[in-house]
Amino acid sequence: DSGVTQTPKHLITATGQRVTLRCSPRSGDLSVYWYQQSLDQGLQFLIQYYNGEERAKGNILERFSAQQFPDLHSELNLSSLELGDSALYFCASSVQVQNTEAFFGQGTRLTVV
Amino acid sequence: AQSVAQPEDQVNVAEGNPLTVKCTYSVSGNPYLFWYVQYPNRGLQFLLKYITGDNLVKGSYGFEAEFNKSQTSFHLKKPSALVSDSALYFCAVSRPGAGSYQLTFGKGTKLSVIP
Repeated sequence: DSGVTQTPKHLITATGQRVTLRCSPRSGDLSVYWYQQSLDQGLQFLIQYYNGEERAKGNILERFSAQQFPDLHSELNLSSLELGDSALYFCASSVQVQNTEAFFGQGTRLTVV
Repeated sequence: AQSVAQPEDQVNVAEGNPLTVKCTYSVSGNPYLFWYVQYPNRGLQFLLKYITGDNLVKGSYGFEAEFNKSQTSFHLKKPSALVSDSALYFCAVSRPGAGSYQLTFGKGTKLSVIP
């Protein structure tokens, strides 16, 4: 158990809908990262927050957004969902911004039908 | 831009034999390098990292990796493979000083250890 908690574990929704994925980082970790894992794209970095502020953006679509709350949990919002958004979404956390490993949650499997 | 290549989609090895999973990287400056393992229906688990210092890094579950700057490689090794090592292995790189710790992952290598 990495200490990173993601909910829900599975999510099935229809095209055009909006969903919210939730992540609770390890106790004491200030940095949260979101990654998308799909068969064709592999593991792609989406976005990072550090202590409530956005730190870096990767290949995140404009339909997607995230935030980190004062209690350090984070949410990833996916809207106007398309079939191609079906993937495993991972949250990871680390203590510092740099020079440390990230610990991953078990992921949320999103299926868009 | 940084990138990671894992040239083998799959590696098969007999139980008890040594295993190697290959990784090469491209990044400006000195890299931070990582190996993660993913078991079915699980998240990624950290195995080991290279930040600086000794080129041979030891990690969890008996794994080690050797950083080779001239060949820009960071191959994962284990002297004696176990059936329980069968999983998907990811090499990742991060660039220090980039203001973020985002990881760029390779495509992954599926390791199958045959009893």
